[in-house]
Amino acid sequence: DTGVSQNPRHKITKRGQNVTFRCDPISEHNRLYWYRQTLGQGPEFLTYFQNEAQLEKSRLLSDRFSAERPKGSFSTLEIQRTEQGDSAMYLCASSLGQEAEAFFGQGTRLTVV
Amino acid sequence: AQKVTQAQTEISVVEKEDVTLDCVYETRDTTYYLFWYKQPPSGELVFLIRRNSFDEQNEISGRYSWNFQKSTSSFNFTITASQVVDSAVYFCALSEARDSNYQLIWGAGTKLIIKP
Repeated sequence: DTGVSQNPRHKITKRGQNVTFRCDPISEHNRLYWYRQTLGQGPEFLTYFQNEAQLEKSRLLSDRFSAERPKGSFSTLEIQRTEQGDSAMYLCASSLGQEAEAFFGQGTRLTVV
Repeated sequence: AQKVTQAQTEISVVEKEDVTLDCVYETRDTTYYLFWYKQPPSGELVFLIRRNSFDEQNEISGRYSWNFQKSTSSFNFTITASQVVDSAVYFCALSEARDSNYQLIWGAGTKLIIKP
């Protein structure tokens, strides 16, 4: 296994369009996290899954954001009706259990024009 | 409330100097974990270390060392004989059960610049 994989690496979209990102975690990891990071800031928690169950979603996350992990393996993050403020790096991480360290993918950089 | 403070926004040193990155945390929990991650210009967050609250032993890994002191709620990171490849943003993070269900709470990061 080569680690957490995210696709695409970069996405440029027009305001108002929908975008979907994919994350493939490390195979035996049951926890999967989505974070957002803007320039000069630390990662901001969005949501996480324990297997296929979405256990928590940040209160900062608008209804335009939705995430799924249908079979407890890969996950998708969809942003509907994108806005310029959605421009950021979207990071996915996975861990083996709640107390273990999380391993991160290389991120998807979203630019909304 | 839980919180992680990295007071140093940016540090610049000349190669081969030793450098210490500070991290101070706040938590009400007695069981918690502390982490350091490195984010090089490529953007990927690289895990460096995880320490649980019951293990105050300092850790050394090559040129990296970590000093965990519960009395001062600090988990500082020292790079000895720094190299240009150490240039990155370094994040300290905390996870604990009570208030955050083991979510990672991140510091703002310290940008480390190693000049040749």
